Amino acid sequence: KAGVTQTPRYLIKTRGQQVTLSCSPISGHRSVSWYQQTPGQGLQFLFEYFSETQRNKGNFPGRFSGRQFSNSRSEMNVSTLELGDSALYLCASSLTAGDPDTQYFGPGTRLTVL
Amino acid sequence: DQQVKQNSPSLSVQEGRISILNCDYTNSMFDYFLWYKKYPAEGPTFLISISSIKDKNEDGRFTVFLNKSAKHLSLHIVPSQPGDSAVYFCAASTPPGYALNFGKGTSLLVTP
Repeated sequence: KAGVTQTPRYLIKTRGQQVTLSCSPISGHRSVSWYQQTPGQGLQFLFEYFSETQRNKGNFPGRFSGRQFSNSRSEMNVSTLELGDSALYLCASSLTAGDPDTQYFGPGTRLTVL
Repeated sequence: DQQVKQNSPSLSVQEGRISILNCDYTNSMFDYFLWYKKYPAEGPTFLISISSIKDKNEDGRFTVFLNKSAKHLSLHIVPSQPGDSAVYFCAASTPPGYALNFGKGTSLLVTP
């Protein structure tokens, strides 16, 4: 069974630009969560989607948004990029919402903002 | 404000010995705790979990202990193996959703 895939794996952007990251969950998984990992803050929860609806949202500004499609694939968007947005963005999928034990992470997208 | 803290950024242990990774939390509403392991260039993988109604959970070489009164949990790996070398993250959640709150991780190095 294929794992969680994230594209692109690496991305370089400049301040003020916007970026869209993509996540394809494991087949059959309907919940997708996004996390940001930085050296200073560690892993921080961004948001969770289940059946195309956002269930939970972390403490991030409105520049961070996401969506989920009917095939459970998810995208996250960051607008007006700032230097501090440089991070590893991880996506995780699980069969159902609220089931962290079955959450599988993708390898992440490394975003660098110059 | 970091609600889950892993105060040791790194730990080095000899192969065959016990590795003890510690985690403290501040939110008394947390009722579910997890440990993840992360290798470089890979996403974290779930290792073991414990709910607040238990004080211990075992899975092979891995045991997690929870001390609710101290708001402290620990992961014991016995015996440690070189393949255990990775970054270990502690996470906690509250019901009904499961927005995980992670610690910053502890890098474990198991030397032969």
